[in-house]
Amino acid sequence: AQSVTQLGSHVSVSEGALVLLRCNYSSSVPPYLFWYVQYPNQGLQLLLKYTTGATLVKGINGFEAEFKKSETSFHLTKPSAHMSDAAEYFCAVRGIIQGAQKLVFGQGTRLTINP
Amino acid sequence: NAGVMQNPRHLVRRRGQEARLRCSPMKGHSHVYWYRQLPEEGLKFMVYLQKENIIDESGMPKERFSAEFPKEGPSILRIQQVVRGDSAAYFCASSDSLQETQYFGPGTRLLVL
Repeated sequence: AQSVTQLGSHVSVSEGALVLLRCNYSSSVPPYLFWYVQYPNQGLQLLLKYTTGATLVKGINGFEAEFKKSETSFHLTKPSAHMSDAAEYFCAVRGIIQGAQKLVFGQGTRLTINP
Repeated sequence: NAGVMQNPRHLVRRRGQEARLRCSPMKGHSHVYWYRQLPEEGLKFMVYLQKENIIDESGMPKERFSAEFPKEGPSILRIQQVVRGDSAAYFCASSDSLQETQYFGPGTRLLVL
């Protein structure tokens, strides 16, 4: 069984400041981990993913995340926030084994950028 | 290269009516997943289908909900006798045979009056 916890349902940062969105997961099998972004009234867009290999993964729009197995974490960061980053962000996990394709999502974190 | 298509984008139904939501996967993708997003919540898995087969329906409500992915045409999520609690955004995702990444459509926002 898998689960995802996103700490902080709302995060607010100033434009140009560091963005840190936290994600912790629980998985009984080696996980694939994902971050998706959702703009108002739109679908989910893939930001980045970890499957195997390098634990620091880079995504679109300057975002990156680091898979830390010992901490069961996959936090999302961006060095300098931009107004266009305001959106809802979802962390998701799935197993890598056959039959474990469904994504399990966290509750989401709404990111607000202050000018 | 068109992405995942969903229609309609918005659907209004009265209690007791039927809702049909359609999803066309990305070109070359044969795996379809349906998720539901209730207001102020994350997405919850409903069902996973391949062409003509339901692979995992562990997230589907036991009654009134059904899904299909025929050999030809889009995947359909059908909700019979809708109730107000069915009001939500329904998202479809698709993946290729490697199933590593799921790509999402824009969603259908269902409102039950």
